[in-house]
Amino acid sequence: LAKTTQPISMDSYEGQEVNITCSHNNIATNDYITWYQQFPSQGPRFIIQGYKTKVTNEVASLFIPADRKSSTLSLPRVSLSDTAVYYCLGGTDGSSNTGKLIFGQGTTLQVKP
Amino acid sequence: DTAVSQTPKYLVTQMGNDKSIKCEQNLGHDTMYWYKQDSKKFLKIMFSYNNKELIINETVPNRFSPKSPDKAHLNLHINSLELGDSAVYFCASSPPGTSTDTQYFGPGTRLTVL
Repeated sequence: LAKTTQPISMDSYEGQEVNITCSHNNIATNDYITWYQQFPSQGPRFIIQGYKTKVTNEVASLFIPADRKSSTLSLPRVSLSDTAVYYCLGGTDGSSNTGKLIFGQGTTLQVKP
Repeated sequence: DTAVSQTPKYLVTQMGNDKSIKCEQNLGHDTMYWYKQDSKKFLKIMFSYNNKELIINETVPNRFSPKSPDKAHLNLHINSLELGDSAVYFCASSPPGTSTDTQYFGPGTRLTVL
């Protein structure tokens, strides 16, 4: 099970691009990298998932280098409503795939006007 | 048409009481979960059920007893509540045939034990 490390907090301003990097040095071959977003007083929300290279959806982009030891979540042109905690997850519990998500402390992103 | 719903949203009770939190999902998912988020915001899995069968029991005290009457419902009953049980409890579900990394969370139930 991959332990993940990400910055505890980040500040940004509206309209800027925000990149949050997560390291997962011991990610398993069959593990995906998944990012969740949690607004205050709400449950986490799935944002994006990838295995390698680049994935893009309507919310964010995810960049994963060839060695897969890290990943970067990119939020284009953030707004105040993007203020949230962002969690990087490096797989569940490996081969058994029982859905045991392991959440770290996440990165608290504060977007300022 | 809420996807994953929980009731109640807030629950305030005294130590020693027994309480239940209900969870329902209308997504047709086979797997459901309970998570606990403490005051430091750490989110930790407690239980996982697949088609009404227990898959994960993450060393949770046996005062906590999940019950799944059908695959759309996973309720959490807590006996003899303690101060340390105060937290936000989230229910989640994941669809069949996909990576279980993709989970849909409910809005949470904030439990306060006095």
